[in-house]
Formats: sequence, C-alpha cells, structure tokens
Amino acid sequence: EPEVTQTPSHQVTQMGQEVILRCVPISNHLYFYWYRQILGQKVEFLVSFYNNEISEKSEIFDDQFSVERPDGSNFTLKIRSTKLEDSAMYFCASSRDRGNYGYTFGSGTRLTVV
Amino acid sequence: AQSVSQHNHHVILSEAASLELGCNYSYGGTVNLFWYVQYPGQHLQLLLKYFSGDPLVKGIKGFEAEFIKSKFSFNLRKPSVQWSDTAEYFCAVNARTGGSYIPTFGRGTSLIVHP
Repeated sequence: EPEVTQTPSHQVTQMGQEVILRCVPISNHLYFYWYRQILGQKVEFLVSFYNNEISEKSEIFDDQFSVERPDGSNFTLKIRSTKLEDSAMYFCASSRDRGNYGYTFGSGTRLTVV
Repeated sequence: AQSVSQHNHHVILSEAASLELGCNYSYGGTVNLFWYVQYPGQHLQLLLKYFSGDPLVKGIKGFEAEFIKSKFSFNLRKPSVQWSDTAEYFCAVNARTGGSYIPTFGRGTSLIVHP
C-alpha cells in the first residue's frame, strides 16, 4: 500500500534555528497538507497545498512558516526561526482530491526545540 | 467556523466491553466525516469515512459509525473491544469553507482497554 514518507522521524534543534521537515507524498496525489500535534493536544491544521501554491492556511501558519514542493516529489515545511512552542509532532498528509475520501498521513516528525 | 467536539477525552474499558465514542460537529452544509486512529507511537490511520448513502458505515477492525444528520453527530461504536484497540481516536470533518475544504479534527479520545 502506498505510503507518505516523512524524514527525519525526530529532530532536535536550538531555539532560533531554521528547520526543514521533509515529506514524500503518494505519487498520484494532488493535495498536500501539514498538520501538527502538540503533546496531549488535538491535531491542528497548518496548511494545504495544491497546484504549486498554498490553497488554505490556518492562523498558526504565520510568516515563520513556509512550504515548498521543490522537485515534484518532495513537499517541505520550513520553520525559519524556531520557538519553544513549535515543539510538536508534525504530520504530512496527501490526498488524491480535496480529502473527500480521506487523507493518507505520514508517520510524523517529532520536533523538539530546546 | 466549523468545529468538532469529542466529549469523551479518556475512556477506560475492559476487554469485551462495548464502546461508543461521541463526535458532534457544527456545520450546516454538506460534510464528509472521518474517524482516524492513532496507535501508540504510530501515525494517524483512517478507520472509516462517510460522505453519502447509508448513514451506518463500517470500517476496519469491527468499528462502525452512524451519521445522524439531525443531531450533527457521527459516533463511533464497536460491540466488543480488544486490548489492541488501545489508541487515540480522532473524529474529523471535511467541509467546504470559502471555496476550499479545510479538514478539522476533534481533540481526540484516549481509549485504554484492560486485558
């Protein structure tokens, strides 16, 4: 069964540093998403991406966040200057349509900002 | 804005007990509804989904959910739980908002099943 692959599985970074979280969505999917889950809290939508541009973003997705699909395969989330409160599990997901049939999630990247 | 409420934050059951997890959403238009499961240390997996037709949907591992439109509810059920069902369960709604679909998740329900 096709999978969404995320790397790294765990990243530790110092406050103020830039991090890039990587995702390889399912090859024939067209919509891509990033979610985060702070420990013990709900899964929060960050951004959706379609046709090489952001289609929706939440208020969490401020100027320190950016997404990119640099090569038609990878889908990255960049956090420019990390803060302690960015520590969370970040999930990438993809779907073949607007998610009406559900999303396929990656296994997540645990980001720890120290 | 749409929202999803999961009223049970923590549920503890013994094996073979019946399970019902509540999910209510606030959105008046057409919705697609999902339940996801997250086993300890693993990623979110789709348990079942509804978008039209029979309001009683069956998913994997013996789970089912019933969409009751008049109550804006999509409760998850399983007649007899197993220890391996210990996990976090998330209800999610996909509804059209301003021309796009923004999936919204509930806070999740932590289920612990004692052997």
